[in-house]
Amino acid sequence: EAGVAQSPRYKIIEKRQSVAFWCNPISGHATLYWYQQILGQGPKLLIQFQNNGVVDDSQLPKDRFSAERLKGVDSTLKIQPAKLEDSAVYLCASSSRGTSGNNEQFFGPGTRLTVL
Amino acid sequence: DQQVKQNSPSLSVQEGRISILNCDYTNSMFDYFLWYKKYPAEGPTFLISISSIKDKNEDGRFTVFLNKSAKHLSLHIVPSQPGDSAVYFCAADGGSTLGRLYFGRGTQLTVWP
Repeated sequence: EAGVAQSPRYKIIEKRQSVAFWCNPISGHATLYWYQQILGQGPKLLIQFQNNGVVDDSQLPKDRFSAERLKGVDSTLKIQPAKLEDSAVYLCASSSRGTSGNNEQFFGPGTRLTVL
Repeated sequence: DQQVKQNSPSLSVQEGRISILNCDYTNSMFDYFLWYKKYPAEGPTFLISISSIKDKNEDGRFTVFLNKSAKHLSLHIVPSQPGDSAVYFCAADGGSTLGRLYFGRGTQLTVWP
């Protein structure tokens, strides 16, 4: 079974530029998550999709971050314009929650963003 | 507001000995807890979990203990192996249908020969 795919793996941009990340979840997983992990901290949820609908975006800085999940499969996360404090690893995860009781989430390798 | 806390940023253990990683939480609504392991340049991978109705769950060399009254859980690795060297994250399920996980800051475990 293929895991969660993310691209690019690394991205370096200057502040005020825009950037986009892509995620392809595990086939059949209805729930998709985007996390931000700043160095030395644990992952923090940015947004959660159930199929193609948003169920939790309370921690997403909506003035600069946006995300979409077209057709309930792939997802993109965009930052525009980027700030220095956006430097982090952006993790995508998926789960089949809704059909089972637990909340085991499967993570992709992440995209390391550096904002200069 | 850190609802899941891992107060030890690092732990160093000799191969063959027991590793004990600790985690505390503040929200009594959490009803499911997970441990993830993370190697450099990779995403976290699920290791073991425990429901709040249990106090112990075992899977091979890994055992998770939950003390609900103390809002504390621990991960025991016996015996520890060099391949266990990684960052370990404790996570708690928000206890709603949303399925949001709250993560601690992680503990870097180093197992030396």
